[in-house]
Amino acid sequence: DAGVIQSPRHEVTEMGQEVTLRCKPISGHNSLFWYRQTMMRGLELLIYFNNNVPIDDSGMPEDRFSAKMPNASFSTLKIQPSEPRDSAVYFCASSPGTLLNTGELFFGEGSRLTVL
Amino acid sequence: GQQVMQIPQYQHVQEGEDFTTYCNSSTTLSNIQWYKQRPGGHPVFLIQLVKSGEVKKQKRLTFQFGEAKKNSSLHITATQTTDVGTYFCADPNYGGSQGNLIFGKGTKLSVKP
Repeated sequence: DAGVIQSPRHEVTEMGQEVTLRCKPISGHNSLFWYRQTMMRGLELLIYFNNNVPIDDSGMPEDRFSAKMPNASFSTLKIQPSEPRDSAVYFCASSPGTLLNTGELFFGEGSRLTVL
Repeated sequence: GQQVMQIPQYQHVQEGEDFTTYCNSSTTLSNIQWYKQRPGGHPVFLIQLVKSGEVKKQKRLTFQFGEAKKNSSLHITATQTTDVGTYFCADPNYGGSQGNLIFGKGTKLSVKP
């Protein structure tokens, strides 16, 4: 299996620009998670989906952030407009677990975002 | 509510020394997971503990779940340079929300050869 695939691996953009991060989960996994990692705040859960449905987006920092999962094999995290404080590594992870049992998470390689 | 608390934040050891990281929760955990993240890498699942008082071993790594299911520990015997990285504990179903996984801040381990 190819594992969780994220793109782009690196993105450098200017403040105010729209950023779209993409994720392809492992086939057959029911749950998908978006995390943000910074030195100061650690690994923060932004949003997670189960069977393509958003379950909890309380970790999304602001209205500038949105996430979609139009089908079982694709998810996007969008930031519009981007700000320098959004600079971080964004991880997507998928899991074969359920809402009652989260299960092991498989992480992608991450997307390193730098907003100038 | 508070996420799980991990101590220490950093640990520097000489190769061959032992290492322990602790994870504490103010509430009872249904279960707990441990992950390792190498520098520049992504978190990788190590283990899940479910039962009160559970002890599991993976080669030089020993994982424990407290009797009250409010704390857990990871102990590495005779560290090697390959053990370098950040070790995270993670709480599923944090705050009563089903299906989530909330990570502690992690313990960063460096090993001097």
